[in-house]
Amino acid sequence: DAGVIQSPRHEVTEMGQEVTLRCKPISGHNSLFWYRQTMMRGLELLIYFNNNVPIDDSGMPEDRFSAKMPNASFSTLKIQPSEPRDSAVYFCASSPRGLAGGGEQFFGPGTRLTVL
Amino acid sequence: TQLLEQSPQFLSIQEGENLTVYCNSSSVFSSLQWYRQEPGEGPVLLVTVVTGGEVKKLKRLTFQFGDARKDSSLHITAAQPGDTGLYLCAARPISNFGNEKLTFGTGTRLTIIP
Repeated sequence: DAGVIQSPRHEVTEMGQEVTLRCKPISGHNSLFWYRQTMMRGLELLIYFNNNVPIDDSGMPEDRFSAKMPNASFSTLKIQPSEPRDSAVYFCASSPRGLAGGGEQFFGPGTRLTVL
Repeated sequence: TQLLEQSPQFLSIQEGENLTVYCNSSSVFSSLQWYRQEPGEGPVLLVTVVTGGEVKKLKRLTFQFGDARKDSSLHITAAQPGDTGLYLCAARPISNFGNEKLTFGTGTRLTIIP
């Protein structure tokens, strides 16, 4: 079975440009998570969805960040406009257990974003 | 404020040695997980502990959840180069019952020298 799929794997862009990161969760999983990982701050949850509905977006840093999940098999994280401090590895993860909680999260390989 | 503190932050030891890494907090957790992350990849779950005092073994890895469910340890026996990676603990505070939000620790970067 395919795991969580993220694209692109690497993105280099200039400050001010729009960046869109994409994620395909594991089929049948109810929950989807977006994380950001940096050396300074570690792994931080940005937002998570349950059954395509955003449940907790308290980790989204500011209005420049937005996330959507139009259907069960696709999600996007958009940064507009991007800034150098957004440079990080962005992970998408999915989980099969919904709000019953407690289950394993399956992570994608990540997108390494560099904003110049 | 970091909810989960891991120690040590970095650890480099010789193949065959034993080691223990720690995950500590002042909060009580409903469950705690350990993940391992290798370079260029996402974290992969190793174990979930849910009961205070619980001990789980996974081959040469032994995981313990503190009696008060505020801390955990990971002990590796006879470390091998394949154990190299970033070890992350992650937990759900007991106040977040029904919420899937995980808080990750600061991580321990482990290097096993052949």
